[in-house]
Amino acid sequence: DGGITQSPKYLFRKEGQNVTLSCEQNLNHDAMYWYRQDPGQGLRLIYYSQIVNDFQKGDIAEGYSVSREKKESFPLTVTSAQKNPTAFYLCASRLAGGQETQYFGPGTRLLVL
Amino acid sequence: AQSVTQLGSHVSVSEGALVLLRCNYSSSVPPYLFWYVQYPNQGLQLLLKYTTGATLVKGINGFEAEFKKSETSFHLTKPSAHMSDAAEYFCAVSNQAGTALIFGKGTTLSVSS
Repeated sequence: DGGITQSPKYLFRKEGQNVTLSCEQNLNHDAMYWYRQDPGQGLRLIYYSQIVNDFQKGDIAEGYSVSREKKESFPLTVTSAQKNPTAFYLCASRLAGGQETQYFGPGTRLLVL
Repeated sequence: AQSVTQLGSHVSVSEGALVLLRCNYSSSVPPYLFWYVQYPNQGLQLLLKYTTGATLVKGINGFEAEFKKSETSFHLTKPSAHMSDAAEYFCAVSNQAGTALIFGKGTTLSVSS
């Protein structure tokens, strides 16, 4: 089955620790996205990538980093510079083109210990 | 710049009643518009989208939406609510470059028996 997988489902971070969220897709999609979701704030774009080895900052990139070394993978690192990381993180992908549908993974919930 | 406003963060209806979720957008180019649904602790699922052509768009689970350019609206409706429709709904518009989606803050739909 084609789809988007995110792991882990739950992730705990200690103070000063960097953590990495995994996102993999086997849909052969060109573009991949990371969103942060907080109650009442909708989805806010962190980073996106249109092609391998290239990515752009979204609206709330500070404290996060990404890489796109393979078409099917787009990991997100939450660094210690992100002072309020507790949130639900969603990965998405789609074919190139503004009219194309974004497909979402099941999400990772990050909690701070 | 593109933006989306969803009127009403919470909407409550009785089972069998009409569902109306409001979405207004701002766009400097012809918009591509999307409605997504999210069940608790899950990713988003596409309900329907408008790209070009017919302004009345039919989606999954009996939902439909009408693109009204003069009103800059894309409201979501369903004639008869079902308990399983209880979820959070997001309206989104493609950004000007067509590289990402801009989401509204979401509307939580509650359905009572």
